Amino acid sequence: DTAVSQTPKYLVTQMGNDKSIKCEQNLGHDTMYWYKQDSKKFLKIMFSYNNKELIINETVPNRFSPKSPDKAHLNLHINSLELGDSAVYFCASSQLRRSGNTIYFGEGSWLTVV
Amino acid sequence: GENVEQHPSTLSVQEGDSAVIKCTYSDSASNYFPWYKQELGKRPQLIIDIRSNVGEKKDQRIAVTLNKTAKHFSLHITETQPEDSAVYFCAASLGNTDKLIFGTGTRLQVFP
Repeated sequence: DTAVSQTPKYLVTQMGNDKSIKCEQNLGHDTMYWYKQDSKKFLKIMFSYNNKELIINETVPNRFSPKSPDKAHLNLHINSLELGDSAVYFCASSQLRRSGNTIYFGEGSWLTVV
Repeated sequence: GENVEQHPSTLSVQEGDSAVIKCTYSDSASNYFPWYKQELGKRPQLIIDIRSNVGEKKDQRIAVTLNKTAKHFSLHITETQPEDSAVYFCAASLGNTDKLIFGTGTRLQVFP
């Protein structure tokens, strides 16, 4: 029973297209994230939502728009895809607590822009 | 800005030897330090974490130490096995927020 699930797992698309990645968690967590892992394996946070409210928005092009319909879902929509958007995108979730939260990652979505 | 440095970037050891990965952080308010293991093609998974009120934590063959004064923390794996081969990431919280700053990763290879 997958805790954090994201779809699709693989996505190959042309430059200029618009695509979405969906994420759902069944852990009852109140916070969800999107992370980007590039070809050098660097993991960087893009967005964080707590109870459907945006709380972290890193310096990400506004072509990337997260949407959280409820606290169990956080989708990522990307407009006008560029070659540099090729990466693995990880959804994650945690339960916010004062002394640090354990973040649980989804399986990742491999995006290739050609 | 906030920064987490991780060394070495690659580490090769013989099965049975120990492996040590070190990280330093810049935010003196950081209070949570997890370590993640990422196998090839898989997601990062938490293997151990430590909070700022503790100096050391151990779980079977893995241990983490934290030196808040020097702002560094380390992962120690003893009696390494081939299945320990993976990329390991350290991370530090941004103050006491839920934002984690990840290190650049260490690719560990354990040769049989």
